[in-house]
Parts: sequence; structure tokens; C-alpha cells
Amino acid sequence: AQKVTQAQTEISVVEKEDVTLDCVYETRDTTYYLFWYKQPPSGELVFLIRRNSFDEQNEISGRYSWNFQKSTSSFNFTITASQVVDSAVYFCALSESYLDSNYQLIWGAGTKLIIKP
Amino acid sequence: DAMVIQNPRYQVTQFGKPVTLSCSQTLNHNVMYWYQQKSSQAPKLLFHYYDKDFNNEADTPDNFQSRRPNTSFCFLDIRSPGLGDAAMYLCATSGGTGTYGYTFGSGTRLTVV
Repeated sequence: AQKVTQAQTEISVVEKEDVTLDCVYETRDTTYYLFWYKQPPSGELVFLIRRNSFDEQNEISGRYSWNFQKSTSSFNFTITASQVVDSAVYFCALSESYLDSNYQLIWGAGTKLIIKP
Repeated sequence: DAMVIQNPRYQVTQFGKPVTLSCSQTLNHNVMYWYQQKSSQAPKLLFHYYDKDFNNEADTPDNFQSRRPNTSFCFLDIRSPGLGDAAMYLCATSGGTGTYGYTFGSGTRLTVV
């Protein structure tokens, strides 16, 4: 069965610390897509990254980096030198091939990240 | 900029009084979705349209309906809002299967009084 697990309900760090948000997924498909979204207190969902199952290359975008490991079914997200503006809820999500998923996103429960000044 | 626009940003409605939330897109995406998100939870899919084909999730209450009169617009109708329907309602779009990503609107926060 498809499932996304974000085991960390809430993480609190002091500004400038590095922080890693964990995401573990389960899927039957060989073709699938993984996403990270940020949801600040204002409520909108902000797209951060999409990764397909055939591309295990890690990605870096400024202070953000993602580590995709198919061997452990994980897609972890690291923020380097965290800032107060990074405070938000972060969701990991999975999309399988449309034949199985009917276009649905399968969401993790989210991790609330608190960056203290 | 191409985007997904939801109106209003905040909506207050009375218990039992029908309310309509709107969503428009300039992305020309085939698929439009409505999600309900309650505090501290992940978004929950209510239904989606692939072009004009409507797909209702099995556990979406009958109280929730949707209309998509054209590619650009989609509406969420709540026929008789209850206190438990207070939530953030998110509209999203995707091109085809969604594997290229989903674009979300800013959401409408619904309060039922």
C-alpha cells in the first residue's frame, strides 16, 4: 500500500543550526514522484521540489538540499543555516503513476519546524 | 504570472447556510482538485476534475458538491455547513497526471458560526 511517513511531528532549533526533516515512503510502483511542500502560517502550500523515481541525484537549492535514497525509500530534506523565515509546516508527498493513483497525492502528516531566534 | 486564485481568502458563514468557494486558474491545466485541510493535518482530497470528468472521493460527504463550468473555473459548494466543516479549503491544479507537480492556490479559510 502507498504511504508517506514523516515521523517527526515537530522540530525546534535555534537559528543558524542545520536541520533535517525525514520522509519515508512506501509504493508498489516503479515509477513515482516525490514532492516537498512548505506551508507557512499564512496557509498557502508552496512547492519546493519534485523528484522522479529514476533520478536519485541529490539536489541543492541555496540553503535547501534533498537526499533521495531508493534503497531506504527515503527522501530527506535538509535546511542549512536555518532562518526564522523557515518556520513552517513541511509536507512530503508521493504521486504514483496515474493508472494506480487516479492523480492523487499521498501526503505525509507534516513536520512543524520552529526556528527560534 | 500564471497562477491559481482562490476567492475569498476568508469566508464566514452561518451554520446551515449554503456557501460557495471559487477557484480560477490561468495555467490551462486539465485537472483541478479541492482539498480540505483541518488544523495540524495534511490536506484531504475531496474530489477532482479531469477536464469535465468528475471524481468524488469515497469518503467525501454528500454535503460537498463541485462544479467546473469551464477549464478555468471550479467551485466548491457546501450545501449545509456544519461546525465540523470549518477548515482551510485548498484548490490545486495539475497538467495531466500531476507528475509534473501541483500548483496550489492560497486557500480559503472557512469559519462556521
